[in-house]
Amino acid sequence: DTGVSQNPRHKITKRGQNVTFRCDPISEHNRLYWYRQTLGQGPEFLTYFQNEAQLEKSRLLSDRFSAERPKGSFSTLEIQRTEQGDSAMYLCASSGRGQAYQETQYFGPGTRLLVL
Amino acid sequence: GQNIDQPTEMTATEGAIVQINCTYQTSGFNGLFWYQQHAGEAPTFLSYNVLDGLEEKGRFSSFLSRSKGYSYLLLKELQMKDSASYLCAVRDNAGKSTFGDGTTLTVKP
Repeated sequence: DTGVSQNPRHKITKRGQNVTFRCDPISEHNRLYWYRQTLGQGPEFLTYFQNEAQLEKSRLLSDRFSAERPKGSFSTLEIQRTEQGDSAMYLCASSGRGQAYQETQYFGPGTRLLVL
Repeated sequence: GQNIDQPTEMTATEGAIVQINCTYQTSGFNGLFWYQQHAGEAPTFLSYNVLDGLEEKGRFSSFLSRSKGYSYLLLKELQMKDSASYLCAVRDNAGKSTFGDGTTLTVKP
């Protein structure tokens, strides 16, 4: 399978704990996006990488959230001191090597987080 | 910023045609996407419009009018498996996409 993969698929944690999610994009894609989606809403943009550079970060993202893409391949999203409001589906998407505005984003299966 | 509106829910009959509308207000426009999302799954790409007009792909077609800030997704010969949420997304000049909240389509026999 050469699509976008995400791990873990599900995560249950207690409030106050830290969690880390991983995304492996399609191998030839250089752009990688993180989104958050709650029930009944569309995906909400969190952050975006081109290669290893983090180009944009949503103002909705608090300081508890951090993302990295150290080698321009896989990416990690960490949430520190989780809160119940962080419970959501976290989606990763990647797109190819053309101009960003010309590209289709392909989504991974998501990581569903539940904070108790 | 971007503001995207689409109906929350629609119902249609198997074999029929349904049109899902999307209106948007944007500070920069570089394309409109439609995605399909089944419950509990990730969005999957359906169509992309950047110029005005109709793009047809099998049973699905998508239309764009940039001057009106308007798009629609047309689904023909509806099948039960088409029951899903349909997301409209607008991309800005930097490549960032803003999604609507989706239209939940229920196809009935």
